[in-house]
Amino acid sequence: AQTVTQSQPEMSVQEAETVTLSCTYDTSENNYYLFWYKQPPSRQMILVIRQEAYKQQNATENRFSVNFQKAAKSFSLKISDSQLGDTAMYFCAFMKRGTQGGSEKLVFGKGTKLTVNP
Amino acid sequence: DAGVIQSPRHEVTEMGQEVTLRCKPISGHNSLFWYRQTMMRGLELLIYFNNNVPIDDSGMPEDRFSAKMPNASFSTLKIQPSEPRDSAVYFCASSTRGRAPNEQFFGPGTRLTVL
Repeated sequence: AQTVTQSQPEMSVQEAETVTLSCTYDTSENNYYLFWYKQPPSRQMILVIRQEAYKQQNATENRFSVNFQKAAKSFSLKISDSQLGDTAMYFCAFMKRGTQGGSEKLVFGKGTKLTVNP
Repeated sequence: DAGVIQSPRHEVTEMGQEVTLRCKPISGHNSLFWYRQTMMRGLELLIYFNNNVPIDDSGMPEDRFSAKMPNASFSTLKIQPSEPRDSAVYFCASSTRGRAPNEQFFGPGTRLTVL
């Protein structure tokens, strides 16, 4: 079974600064995907960024980037130029690659509550 | 596209009552997931379907919970009888086969309170 661990229950950052959220996972799978989801107070789950395990290059999406260390089973999220709208819960999630491209379940970490201060 | 639609958005019921949560996935998506979010356990999968067929129901807590997907555009999650410990936010998500890496699109969730 896969497990995902987020060791920082809460974090805060000043507006315009950079913050890094940590995530580690445990799996015996070789082919899988990793995701970061954002959940603002509205409780809507929003995909922030995704990484395919076979890709060595770290994914980036505008101000969001990841540091994927496959051997260490680490997948951290860096938010640059933090904005007030980034205030939310952030969840790291794991999905093993399905057979024939089929979908599989997401396994979530417990989340990190990020507060961006003005 | 309207996104994943869930109803009701809020449900308050009394212990022992039957509760039915509904989900309409995004048109064309062939996988549907039910997740539950609580403070204690976080987000966890209850059950998921591929092409309307249940694939993994290992997360369904007990026999009081049941889920159906009679067609590609509708799914229900039923709790009978409900208990206070079932209070949680229930999310439905859908995805489409072959679109790696299988991004799941979440509905707005149903907040269930069992008194």
